[in-house]
Amino acid sequence: AQTVTQSQPEMSVQEAETVTLSCTYDTSESDYYLFWYKQPPSRQMILVIRQEAYKQQNATENRFSVNFQKAAKSFSLKISDSQLGDAAMYFCAYRSAGSGGSNYKLTFGKGTLLTVNP
Amino acid sequence: SQTIHQWPATLVQPVGSPLSLECTVEGTSNPNLYWYRQAAGRGLQLLFYSVGIGQISSEVPQNLSASRPQDRQFILSSKKLLLSDSGFYLCASTGWGNSPLHFGNGTRLTVT
Repeated sequence: AQTVTQSQPEMSVQEAETVTLSCTYDTSESDYYLFWYKQPPSRQMILVIRQEAYKQQNATENRFSVNFQKAAKSFSLKISDSQLGDAAMYFCAYRSAGSGGSNYKLTFGKGTLLTVNP
Repeated sequence: SQTIHQWPATLVQPVGSPLSLECTVEGTSNPNLYWYRQAAGRGLQLLFYSVGIGQISSEVPQNLSASRPQDRQFILSSKKLLLSDSGFYLCASTGWGNSPLHFGNGTRLTVT
């Protein structure tokens, strides 16, 4: 079974600075998808960014980018120019690329609570 | 895009009482549906998923059950709630391929 590990329970960053959240995963599959979700105090789960394992290019969405190291099974999230609204719990998640409903479920890490200081 | 309606938003129930949480999905057909639970300060644990009407798979043994009576309706139930059933319950939906998981706003359940 796949596992996702987020080794940083909490992180803090100054407003306008850059922060990197770590995520590692364990899988025997060669094709899969990786996601970062954000959960603000409202507890709504919001997709931040996703990466297909077959793509070598790191995904980018505005101020959010990832460093995907397939061989190392590492998938870190970099937030540039941090804003107060970025404060939230961030979850890394894994999904198999296989077909069938059971393969579409997400396996989540335990999350990293990000605080943004003004 | 998909919209997931989940209700109620908050629920306080006594131990031993029944439970019914409902989730409906708009904007897609034949979705894969999921129930996750998030304990306080913890990650998300998958409870059930469904790939079609009447098809339910359970991920962990527990006091809860799920049903899918219609294509875009997913229900989480219990006959008798336990204190350990307290938590934040999230319904989620996804289509096929690499489409991401979309979440409802969740239900905060407190069992007293």
